[in-house]
Amino acid sequence: AQKITQTQPGMFVQEKEAVTLDCTYDTSDPSYGLFWYKQPSSGEMIFLIYQGSYDQQNATEGRYSLNFQKARKSANLVISASQLGDSAMYFCAMRDTDTGGFKTIFGAGTRLFVKA
Amino acid sequence: DGGITQSPKYLFRKEGQNVTLSCEQNLNHDAMYWYRQDPGQGLRLIYYSQIVNDFQKGDIAEGYSVSREKKESFPLTVTSAQKNPTAFYLCASSNWGPGSNQPQHFGDGTRLSIL
Repeated sequence: AQKITQTQPGMFVQEKEAVTLDCTYDTSDPSYGLFWYKQPSSGEMIFLIYQGSYDQQNATEGRYSLNFQKARKSANLVISASQLGDSAMYFCAMRDTDTGGFKTIFGAGTRLFVKA
Repeated sequence: DGGITQSPKYLFRKEGQNVTLSCEQNLNHDAMYWYRQDPGQGLRLIYYSQIVNDFQKGDIAEGYSVSREKKESFPLTVTSAQKNPTAFYLCASSNWGPGSNQPQHFGDGTRLSIL
């Protein structure tokens, strides 16, 4: 069965510094995709970035980038130049190919606190 | 603008009462989902639907029911059989299929509490 693990319940970062949020995954399928979502205190889930298993380069979207290490099965989210508005829960997720890709498996999340 | 609308934003349930949470999307997505989130926790899948008139149980379906009569709508009923319904409920939709790089799109959620 596929699994997503986020081992950092909470992280602190100083404003304007970079921070890395860890995500490891387990799958036997050679074709998979990994997603990161942000959940502010208001509750909505916001899609941030996607990495496909066959993508040649690490994904980047503005201040967000993925440190994708396929052999280690890790897909860590890097947020550069942290802003106060980055304070939120962050979830790593992947499609559950055991169910034909209909379901998404979410990690437990990491709460990020950005300090002024 | 396309998106997902959940209503109401806050809902209170009395003991023994069924309540229905609304979810409407205009993204033309085939798949829709309901998740439950408890404070400080991740998302747990309640039900999902791949297509109209079809749906499957997720990981915590007991005490909940759904219908999918229209592509745009996927209401969730929290029945009196759900003894601990207090939680944050999120509805989502997506295009589906293995290898799909399409993310799930989420509504703003409904906070349900017991009176």
